[in-house]
Amino acid sequence: QVTLRESGPALVKPTQTLTLTCTFSGFSLSTSGMCVSWIRQPPGKALEWLALIDWDDDKYYSTSLKTRLTISKDTSKNQVVLTMTNMDPVDTATYYCARTLVVTAQQPVYFDYWGQGTLVTVSS
Amino acid sequence: SYELTQPPSVSVSPGQTARITCSGDALPKQYAYWYQQKPGQAPVLVIYKDSERPSGIPERFSGSSSGTTVTLTISGVQAEDEADYYCQSADSSGTSVVFGGGTKLTVL
Repeated sequence: QVTLRESGPALVKPTQTLTLTCTFSGFSLSTSGMCVSWIRQPPGKALEWLALIDWDDDKYYSTSLKTRLTISKDTSKNQVVLTMTNMDPVDTATYYCARTLVVTAQQPVYFDYWGQGTLVTVSS
Repeated sequence: SYELTQPPSVSVSPGQTARITCSGDALPKQYAYWYQQKPGQAPVLVIYKDSERPSGIPERFSGSSSGTTVTLTISGVQAEDEADYYCQSADSSGTSVVFGGGTKLTVL
């Protein structure tokens, strides 16, 4: 059974750095084709993909946010960590981690299992 | 930056067929995926690789592709299908993941 769970602070102040942890079970991030992504959703708005890390430790970031994001993994702990610097109130959102599968190198990845999400509010 | 365009809302009566479209220039070459999201819940994958249905997803959900538009079709809509639906794909390189703006399906 595949499960993912996000954890991190519910409230951060503007300019602070956000650190979120995704703890998963039911699959291994060492398996070829396996990845974990972070996706966010501001209240009442659409989903936005943020970052992905794959089984080979390759990392991919949203073009618009890549200067602020860092994704990393601890395979032994089954955890993926996302940091986002210089937080702003517009970054208020529910942040999801999702198991991500590769189809082929030139085709889009997709998300077959999602965590329940964690709401992060940015406010002073 | 690459965009996927969905209608903001679609309304149908129970038992009818709902069609939700998603348009993007790279869709002739890139697979599309569809997610259902009910209020307060995480998204659920309902269609992958344009038209494949994951196990556990009802047969009334189907997907198709034609040119720059992909379509999610829900046949015999039920009240429980009322939700937001998002398409997802990537730009022509395949590395920049993009979601559509979402479509709110209302079952009248």
